[in-house]
Amino acid sequence: DAGVTQSPTHLIKTRGQQVTLRCSPKSGHDTVSWYQQALGQGPQFIFQYYEEEERQRGNFPDRFSGHQFPNYSSELNVNALLLGDSALYLCASSFAGITDNEKLFFGSGTQLSVL
Amino acid sequence: AQSVAQPEDQVNVAEGNPLTVKCTYSVSGNPYLFWYVQYPNRGLQFLLKYITGDNLVKGSYGFEAEFNKSQTSFHLKKPSALVSDSALYFCAVRVPGLISGGYQKVTFGIGTKLQVIP
Repeated sequence: DAGVTQSPTHLIKTRGQQVTLRCSPKSGHDTVSWYQQALGQGPQFIFQYYEEEERQRGNFPDRFSGHQFPNYSSELNVNALLLGDSALYLCASSFAGITDNEKLFFGSGTQLSVL
Repeated sequence: AQSVAQPEDQVNVAEGNPLTVKCTYSVSGNPYLFWYVQYPNRGLQFLLKYITGDNLVKGSYGFEAEFNKSQTSFHLKKPSALVSDSALYFCAVRVPGLISGGYQKVTFGIGTKLQVIP
């Protein structure tokens, strides 16, 4: 049973460029959340997708957008990259059913470097 | 707004000694509390959770945590530390219930680096 998979593992971009990160949730999971983890910080909530809609959003600008596909996989898009966007981007999946929806399963992340 | 504070950037403990990693939280209503561990170049792994019931919850790898509502704390503990426990530990909180089909967002602390010395 595959866990949460993210691609790519590493990415280098320059300021002003756009980037797309991808996430496949754990089998049986239907909810995907994205987090940004800057160096030395805890994960910061970006947004959550369920049933192909953005359900909640953290304090991130509109440059950060996402999408969820019918197979529950998800993409995170960041436009007009800034140096401060350099971070580890984590995808977390869960099941929004009644039971066991409290636990998040994380991927290994995509390390984004903006030069 | 909900928040988590982890007052110690780093905790050092000798192998075989008990360890405690501290966490306090702020949330409206009853909290769901979690501990996650992160090893280098890896995502976070779930350790344990408090939802309701017994204030002492047990989790993976021999870890446990004690919920104290009056002190709004949820400290992580282990009776005997192992070198392999060295990692980054995150406390997290969310409020119960679903919102628009999904669950309420989870807020993480800044993390505490645990160093177990052989």
